[in-house]
Amino acid sequence: AQSVTQLDSQVPVFEEAPVELRCNYSSSVSVYLFWYVQYPNQGLQLLLKYLSGSTLVKGINGFEAEFNKSQTSFHLRKPSVHISDTAEYFCAVSDYNFNKFYFGSGTKLNVKP
Amino acid sequence: KAGVTQTPRYLIKTRGQQVTLSCSPISGHRSVSWYQQTPGQGLQFLFEYFSETQRNKGNFPGRFSGRQFSNSRSEMNVSTLELGDSALYLCASSRAGGPRDEQYFGPGTRLTVT
Repeated sequence: AQSVTQLDSQVPVFEEAPVELRCNYSSSVSVYLFWYVQYPNQGLQLLLKYLSGSTLVKGINGFEAEFNKSQTSFHLRKPSVHISDTAEYFCAVSDYNFNKFYFGSGTKLNVKP
Repeated sequence: KAGVTQTPRYLIKTRGQQVTLSCSPISGHRSVSWYQQTPGQGLQFLFEYFSETQRNKGNFPGRFSGRQFSNSRSEMNVSTLELGDSALYLCASSRAGGPRDEQYFGPGTRLTVT
């Protein structure tokens, strides 16, 4: 079975600073990787996904992530954050026989003015 | 295009009771998945339905069950509620449930068991 580790439960950062949210996964098979964002009292929204091809994936709201197969990582980055990026971010993995996701425990990004 | 809707949004039940939650997927989507979100356990997969058939199931007791109707709407039922069932229950729909199909999540149903 897959497992996903998000190394930081909370990340405080000042507005306009860069941020990196870390995600590592364990799997013996090829996987698909995703980042979701959850704003308070809302469901999850897909930020970006890696299915194949280029290891650098660009998503919505200026976020990007890099798939590193040797390090089994899929870290999320943004060069300059805004107050509106304050939310909880979830990394998820599914295998090729997709019917379910395995989610990380989430990272709360707190952007301060 | 209307998003995924879940009803009710909030629910308070007593231990031992049962509850039914509803999820209406985006029009044209045939796959519906259910997740339980708690502060301690995070997001955990419950089950996935496609064309009225359960295709996959997570590691939850048999008190948790679901079904899907011919219009793709799905219901989730929890019987004999326990305090630990208090959680945000999220459903997500996609066209066919494959990894290339984006999952769209609803706002969730917040269940509180007292």
